[in-house]
Amino acid sequence: KNEVEQSPQNLTAQEGEFITINCSYSVGISALHWLQQHPGGGIVSLFMLSSGKKKHGRLIATINIQEKHSSLHITASHPRDSAVYICAPVPGGSYIPTFGRGTSLIVHP
Amino acid sequence: EPEVTQTPSHQVTQMGQEVILRCVPISNHLYFYWYRQILGQKVEFLVSFYNNEISEKSEIFDDQFSVERPDGSNFTLKIRSTKLEDSAMYFCASSEGVTGGEKLFFGSGTQLSVL
Repeated sequence: KNEVEQSPQNLTAQEGEFITINCSYSVGISALHWLQQHPGGGIVSLFMLSSGKKKHGRLIATINIQEKHSSLHITASHPRDSAVYICAPVPGGSYIPTFGRGTSLIVHP
Repeated sequence: EPEVTQTPSHQVTQMGQEVILRCVPISNHLYFYWYRQILGQKVEFLVSFYNNEISEKSEIFDDQFSVERPDGSNFTLKIRSTKLEDSAMYFCASSEGVTGGEKLFFGSGTQLSVL
């Protein structure tokens, strides 16, 4: 069973700060999703990665397959980044992601 | 960007009643999923569907649940004899392929309340 741990659970930041959210998982994976859940509940896919690093705007996602670890970074954070960020690795041999509990981020102006 | 559409956005039902949650996946997508999220908990996988049949399901997806693609566009989740613990947000998602590395597109969810 794939255990997914995200840290921190809750994060508060001031606008402009650099944010890092970490994700560790316990089994070999084929890919990993980072998702954003808005306060209203909607879920948006941010990244899907299987190696290395991806960047989209102010968001950067990295993954180290050997260490079973991924990070999501937000540069120059903004109040509109306030949301729950969810890590969802896909175990090898499956195509169904296992969702972490999420990291709740609040960015104050 | 194309969207996954779910209806209704809210559903209130009495315990023991049957409910049908509806989803219209993105038109060129081939793989469809249902997830649920109980308030304050993580998102949980229920079932995936491909080529008009269930391809994978979780322990949660027991005989109380069924899925169907009644026509070329709709994808439904039926919950028979609802229980209080079925109260949750139910998300439909779709993807173009299924390598494990395909981007998932989620609908905005149906909030089900069982009274």
